[in-house]
Amino acid sequence: AQTVTQSQPEMSVQEAETVTLSCTYDTSENNYYLFWYKQPPSRQMILVIRQEAYKQQNATENRFSVNFQKAAKSFSLKISDSQLGDTAMYFCAFISMEYGNKLVFGAGTILRVKS
Amino acid sequence: GAGVSQTPSNKVTEKGKYVELRCDPISGHTALYWYRQSLGQGPEFLIYFQGTGAADDSGLPNDRFFAVRPEGSVSTLKIQRTERGDSAVYLCASSLLLDNEQFFGPGTRLTVL
Repeated sequence: AQTVTQSQPEMSVQEAETVTLSCTYDTSENNYYLFWYKQPPSRQMILVIRQEAYKQQNATENRFSVNFQKAAKSFSLKISDSQLGDTAMYFCAFISMEYGNKLVFGAGTILRVKS
Repeated sequence: GAGVSQTPSNKVTEKGKYVELRCDPISGHTALYWYRQSLGQGPEFLIYFQGTGAADDSGLPNDRFFAVRPEGSVSTLKIQRTERGDSAVYLCASSLLLDNEQFFGPGTRLTVL
């Protein structure tokens, strides 16, 4: 079974500082993709960043970057220069073609950015 | 439309009633997914359509849940004899064929009293 674990139910960070959200996953597959989604109170799930498992280079999108450790099955999200608009629930998610093209989500981490 | 849309935004019903939730995917997206998100949890997969057919319905919790996509575009999730435990946000997503990025709608919040 594929599982995704987010061990931090809540995190807080001061505006302009850096925060890291943790995610681990379990799979026996070799070909898969990992994602971080942001869900603000509006409920709209927004893709923040994606990582292909076959790529060794960590993905980056502006202030967002990941630390992908394939052997350790770890996929953390780093948010630099945190902004008030980053306040949201963040979900780590996994998908593999062998598992049927459906996203498996972690339980989420609530991130609060304080001014 | 520009994104995935879902109607209604909120639905309140009484235990035992029948409800239908609608999803309009992004134009041209052949794959459509339904997820259920209970309070304080991550979304859980329900069913996935490729075109008009359900490619994987392994996430449907029981036979009270059913979904259709008759013309390969709009989909309707149908719940019979609703129970209080069905209360959740129901999310729909769509993607291009064989693409891994799923685009989500704003969800329908279902409350069963």
